[in-house]
Amino acid sequence: GNSVTQMEGPVTLSEEAFLTINCTYTATGYPSLFWYVQYPGEGLQLLLKATKADDKGSNKGFEATYRKETTSFHLEKGSVQVSDSAVYFCALVVTSNTGKLIFGQGTTLQVKP
Amino acid sequence: DAGVTQSPTHLIKTRGQQVTLRCSPKSGHDTVSWYQQALGQGPQFIFQYYEEEERQRGNFPDRFSGHQFPNYSSELNVNALLLGDSALYLCASSLPGQGAGTEAFFGQGTRLTVV
Repeated sequence: GNSVTQMEGPVTLSEEAFLTINCTYTATGYPSLFWYVQYPGEGLQLLLKATKADDKGSNKGFEATYRKETTSFHLEKGSVQVSDSAVYFCALVVTSNTGKLIFGQGTTLQVKP
Repeated sequence: DAGVTQSPTHLIKTRGQQVTLRCSPKSGHDTVSWYQQALGQGPQFIFQYYEEEERQRGNFPDRFSGHQFPNYSSELNVNALLLGDSALYLCASSLPGQGAGTEAFFGQGTRLTVV
């Protein structure tokens, strides 16, 4: 079946540290891949996406590259800020018409000043 | 643009009761999906509505049902509530037929607590 696996959290970093959150997937067909972010008390917001192999999604300093050979879509940021503290979800869509999202379990990021 | 709006924001119900949650999609969107997010977990797909029809359904029992109205707004109904139904219920809207890369826009969710 289709699934997403993320690294366990919480991830605790100091401000300006480098961030990596690992995400791997299993999918039939050719999925599109997404990172969503959830700030405390809020819904999910799309952070970035990639729709085919070797695409790089980027937004607000965050980047992720769609690696088909390793079935991965790791999230990176060169210098995190306290305001980046949130829960990050990796997700995929395999059905082009319905857009059903399959999420990982989420990784909590805590950034300390 | 109001984005996706959900009501109510919080709700407390007793086991065995029934609940209705409401969602208005983002302007111009006609596809609505519902997700259940248990505490500390990722959202799980419940079902999706398009043109007032349920187009796809996740692995949820028949106690979970829905409806979409001509103005594209949607309701999620849950009957015979169980303690395990306590969760954040998220509504997402999107445009259909744009391919797998279509962005889904989420509302802030309804926090349902079953006691």
